[in-house]
Amino acid sequence: GESVGLHLPTLSVQEGDNSIINCAYSNSASDYFIWYKQESGKGPQFIIDIRSNMDKRQGQRVTVLLNKTVKHLSLQIAATQPGDSAVYFCAERQGGKLIFGQGTELSVKP
Amino acid sequence: NAGVTQTPKFRILKIGQSMTLQCAQDMNHNYMYWYRQDPGMGLKLIYYSVGAGITDKGEVPNGYNVSRSTTEDFPLRLELAAPSQTSVYFCASSPGHLGYEQYFGPGTRLTVT
Repeated sequence: GESVGLHLPTLSVQEGDNSIINCAYSNSASDYFIWYKQESGKGPQFIIDIRSNMDKRQGQRVTVLLNKTVKHLSLQIAATQPGDSAVYFCAERQGGKLIFGQGTELSVKP
Repeated sequence: NAGVTQTPKFRILKIGQSMTLQCAQDMNHNYMYWYRQDPGMGLKLIYYSVGAGITDKGEVPNGYNVSRSTTEDFPLRLELAAPSQTSVYFCASSPGHLGYEQYFGPGTRLTVT
């Protein structure tokens, strides 16, 4: 069936480096995508979203890129900080529902 | 604003017991959602509501019931707890359906033994 998945379940980066978290989706009809951050023991927190009519959107230290040709979504975090350590989920809007991916755990080494 | 609050934080149930997970939001959002999150997995939608008095099934509704008598509250009921319902449950609200940011509560960790 259609699904959202992540290429890497874990990612370890050095503090100050840039992080890139990837997500593959399989439903070409999905029109909206969201990235969430979930810290240990807490609920997910919205980071940034993008609609399918865009290929790039920037926030504060984060950028989301959407490549509809290969059905790929990525989250870039600039100058990664220890506070960025968390699990990051992508989600796609599909058939009136949000479908969440498995998540990637980002670990930032000081 | 407290945002989205959930009670209890933790609960252990025996098989066959019932309980209600409470969720409340003070942002006057029409849309509210219940998700479950199994270890190492993404969130799966159980039920959602588009406003007081209106609820609909999500992806995994079996074994659960909901009600929405007010805009603020959206309780989730487990009637006959089963080990398969061991999970972390998150409630969320948003000002619009999907296409808008969802605000999540801190979660309820439920164990059924």
